[in-house]
Amino acid sequence: DAGVIQSPRHEVTEMGQEVTLRCKLISGHNSLFWYRQTMMRGLELLIYFNNNVPIDDSGMPEDRFSAKMPNASFSTLKIQPSEPRDSAVYFCASSLRQSGELFFGEGSRLTVL
Amino acid sequence: GQNIDQPTEMTATEGAIVQINCTYQTSGFNGLFWYQQHAGEAPTFLSYNVLDGLEEKGRFSSFLSRSKGYSYLLLKELQMKDSASYLCAVILTGGGNKLTFGTGTQLKVEL
Repeated sequence: DAGVIQSPRHEVTEMGQEVTLRCKLISGHNSLFWYRQTMMRGLELLIYFNNNVPIDDSGMPEDRFSAKMPNASFSTLKIQPSEPRDSAVYFCASSLRQSGELFFGEGSRLTVL
Repeated sequence: GQNIDQPTEMTATEGAIVQINCTYQTSGFNGLFWYQQHAGEAPTFLSYNVLDGLEEKGRFSSFLSRSKGYSYLLLKELQMKDSASYLCAVILTGGGNKLTFGTGTQLKVEL
């Protein structure tokens, strides 16, 4: 079975541009998590969904960030407009709600110049 | 609020045993995970503890004491490939299945 699939793997963009990160969950999983990882702050939870419904978005830094889950297998994280401080690795992870164990994608490394 | 503490870095010798500690202070606790993350890669699951005691899985073991807010990951017969970051993460009561991670312990295994 394919794992969690993220795209793009790497993105370099200029400040002010819109960035869209994509994630495909493992088939059958019903929870989806977006994390951001930096050297300074480690892995921070941005938002998570259960059964396509956003449950906790308290980690979303500000209104520039938005996440959607249009169907049970796919999610997007959008940053508009992007800023240099958004530079990080963004991980998507999925799980079965009752298990707690997260399966991470390979991450999207974002650099905002 | 919640606080999860791990040492930032550790160094150990190939073939030896190393213990990586994690302490947590949370307003509710429902389980603790350990993940391994090699440089440039995604975190991968190592262990899960919800009850007090030791869980053993091959060369890796994880211990939990809920009353002390303390866990450790024990790695035996260290190999060079064990050089990685080890992340402690907790699930909080009422937090659904949301994991909150510590900042990780960077382990370097030397010859």
